[in-house]
Amino acid sequence: AQSVTQPDIHITVSEGASLELRCNYSYGATPYLFWYVQSPGQGLQLLLKYFSGDTLVQGIKGFEAEFKRSQSSFNLRKPSVHWSDAAEYFCAVVTAAGNKLTFGGGTRVLVKP
Amino acid sequence: DAGVTQSPTHLIKTRGQQVTLRCSPKSGHDTVSWYQQALGQGPQFIFQYYEEEERQRGNFPDRFSGHQFPNYSSELNVNALLLGDSALYLCASSLVNRDDGYTFGSGTRLTVV
Repeated sequence: AQSVTQPDIHITVSEGASLELRCNYSYGATPYLFWYVQSPGQGLQLLLKYFSGDTLVQGIKGFEAEFKRSQSSFNLRKPSVHWSDAAEYFCAVVTAAGNKLTFGGGTRVLVKP
Repeated sequence: DAGVTQSPTHLIKTRGQQVTLRCSPKSGHDTVSWYQQALGQGPQFIFQYYEEEERQRGNFPDRFSGHQFPNYSSELNVNALLLGDSALYLCASSLVNRDDGYTFGSGTRLTVV
């Protein structure tokens, strides 16, 4: 069955430190990949997406993600975290021929001052 | 350029009642998908509409139905509400070819009492 796994439920990071969020997927072929951020009680904001081409993708708010086909991973990174980055982050995938986004369980990021 | 607009933002209903949620897609988008997000979980796909037809449906009962109008806006209807239907309902719009990714609205928070 197709699935998306975000192994870390919670991550706490100090302001100014680097952040890496993990995402692994299980699909028959390379899907389209997305990272979204959600503040409490709000909708989802797209940070970045990967369809094809360069495996290092730049997004908004200083985020980037790297697609590694051999590891079926699409990890999200930020070099220096700001307090406003505290939120829940979701990895999502859709197959090239499919219609529905499948989401991971999310990773909640807490930022210490 | 307006993003995805959902109404109402909050709703309280009694068990057994019926509810209608509304979504206006991002300008230029022709496809609308609906997702249910229970507290502390990732969004789950309900269904997707394109050209006023349901293209794909997730694992939701027939109590969940939808509609897309000629102007691409959409409605989600839920009949015979259960306590377990309490959730954040998210609408996402896209182009049918997904080139622009998926844009989410802020959601409708439904509470069933």
